[in-house]
Amino acid sequence: KAGVTQTPRYLIKTRGQQVTLSCSPISGHRSVSWYQQTPGQGLQFLFEYFSETQRNKGNFPGRFSGRQFSNSRSEMNVSTLELGDSALYLCASSLGDRGVSPLHFGNGTRLTVT
Amino acid sequence: DAKTTQPPSMDCAEGRAANLPCNHSTISGNEYVYWYRQIHSQGPQYIIHGLKNNETNEMASLIITEDRKSSTLILPHATLRDTAVYYCIVREPTNSGYALNFGKGTSLLVTP
Repeated sequence: KAGVTQTPRYLIKTRGQQVTLSCSPISGHRSVSWYQQTPGQGLQFLFEYFSETQRNKGNFPGRFSGRQFSNSRSEMNVSTLELGDSALYLCASSLGDRGVSPLHFGNGTRLTVT
Repeated sequence: DAKTTQPPSMDCAEGRAANLPCNHSTISGNEYVYWYRQIHSQGPQYIIHGLKNNETNEMASLIITEDRKSSTLILPHATLRDTAVYYCIVREPTNSGYALNFGKGTSLLVTP
């Protein structure tokens, strides 16, 4: 079974631009979550989508948004990029039950903002 | 979700068992213990999880104390490829979404 796929692997953007990251979950997984990882803050939860609806949200500004499509694929968008948005963005999928089943992560998109 | 405490770093000789402790003294009856690890530049990898009983899979064993206030992840024969940051996470299943608090984890170094 294919794992979680994230594209692209690397991105370089300029301050003020916007960016869209893509995530394809494991087949059959209905929940997709996004995390941001930086050296200073570690792994931080951004949001989770289940059946095309945002089910949970972390403490990030409104510049960070996402969506999920009917095939469970998800995209994450960051608008008006800031230098501090440079990070590894990780997507994870799970079956989407009440949360007993574990998360399975992709290898992330490394975003650099200059 | 209950807070967890892990040592910041540990060493282990290759071929020996690596025993990674985790304290979760405020765990509630419905909360599961999960272990993930992250090898440099990769996404976190799920290892194992449990509620009350000890669990074993092809990667590791999870030993949970009877009072559930602490647990130990055991890698029975550590290899160099097991060098990673290991995260112990406690969470309660809920219908309101799935957000993991990873904390800082334990950086395990396996040496030749």
